Amino acid sequence: GESVGLHLPTLSVQEGDNSIINCAYSNSASDYFIWYKQESGKGPQFIIDIRSNMDKRQGQRVTVLLNKTVKHLSLQIAATQPGDSAVYFCAETYSGNTPLVFGKGTRLSVIA
Amino acid sequence: DAGVTQSPTHLIKTRGQQVTLRCSPKSGHDTVSWYQQALGQGPQFIFQYYEEEERQRGNFPDRFSGHQFPNYSSELNVNALLLGDSALYLCASSLVLSPYEQYFGPGTRLTVT
Repeated sequence: GESVGLHLPTLSVQEGDNSIINCAYSNSASDYFIWYKQESGKGPQFIIDIRSNMDKRQGQRVTVLLNKTVKHLSLQIAATQPGDSAVYFCAETYSGNTPLVFGKGTRLSVIA
Repeated sequence: DAGVTQSPTHLIKTRGQQVTLRCSPKSGHDTVSWYQQALGQGPQFIFQYYEEEERQRGNFPDRFSGHQFPNYSSELNVNALLLGDSALYLCASSLVLSPYEQYFGPGTRLTVT
């Protein structure tokens, strides 16, 4: 079946800079997307979600952008902090109650 | 408010053996999903339980089975273990009316030798 993928496996940023993590999805029927953060030794933690009827959603220091034309999703983290160091996954689903499909993940390393 | 708990934390088994992993959902949640996460990969959906029945299943062989108890806790059983079953097994709980607001446990690291 189709699955979510990521452009960059690793990303290193300076503390205080903004981070952008990208994700490409292949299932054009997907209409709900979630970003997760997974720290070492822990399970994935929900960060932010977006539905396909939106192209942007903001949270606390995070913004998710959705471009349905090119099937691209991004997570922007403002003023990146050391605590943001983790692996980030995007996940997609179709709201007909299908299981979440996760991408492979991007490791974000914050340089102090 | 207790989050999702899983036991054991780590487990080492030999090929051909059977294993049972356990999960207690977040308080108030009624749905449990299980995922397999290989090293360096994203989680892959195994199955989901609600009202003690399997509601959905991913692309996993019948060696993977599960159970949900009346108190909503769940077990994942894997028979005839293969080396390729070595992975982090994640449990996620949610409410049936909010299936994608999933809260993950810390996982059980299974190593098959």
